[in-house]
Amino acid sequence: DTAVSQTPKYLVTQMGNDKSIKCEQNLGHDTMYWYKQDSKKFLKIMFSYNNKELIINETVPNRFSPKSPDKAHLNLHINSLELGDSAVYFCASSRQGPAREAFFGQGTRLTVV
Amino acid sequence: GNSVTQMEGPVTLSEEAFLTINCTYTATGYPSLFWYVQYPGEGLQLLLKATKADDKGSNKGFEATYRKETTSFHLEKGSVQVSDSAVYFCALSAFSTGNQFYFGTGTSLTVIP
Repeated sequence: DTAVSQTPKYLVTQMGNDKSIKCEQNLGHDTMYWYKQDSKKFLKIMFSYNNKELIINETVPNRFSPKSPDKAHLNLHINSLELGDSAVYFCASSRQGPAREAFFGQGTRLTVV
Repeated sequence: GNSVTQMEGPVTLSEEAFLTINCTYTATGYPSLFWYVQYPGEGLQLLLKATKADDKGSNKGFEATYRKETTSFHLEKGSVQVSDSAVYFCALSAFSTGNQFYFGTGTSLTVIP
């Protein structure tokens, strides 16, 4: 069983489109995250979310929005896609509390053309 | 604030060579420290962790010791294998920062036969 799963694995789309990436975790965790990894492998936190609080990285454009229908899902919706949005997006989850590691999905490679 | 600085790569080693990847951190409160590994085309996997000063995390022949006095968590392996070729990320999380994980920039390791 995959602990954190993302779909799709690859996404190619045109500029200006709106797209969503889905994420599901079956670990019973209460905190989920979205990270963006650029071509140099740098990981940037975009959002962290639990059922109480959404923390947004202030540098993330408001074209990006997380949507959580329930504790096990945190989807990423992107409006008006731009070329610079091309990257690999990772979903992750963890328990709350000290010393708890994050579990990552396999990533979604987004290419905007 | 919280941040992680790790040595820049890429690092290329011959099989059976000794590996050190340096990592230093800045944190408020008492962070937990992690090393993650990312194999080509995959998500990040936890390699090891340490939750308090002087703890040593170890896994698959890799080790790292939480050094509070030098704010460091250097990754070491005595004899690397070709299968260790990957990108390695140092990370911290601190309960005071609302379940956020902070990652270093990643260090790419290539092991040649």
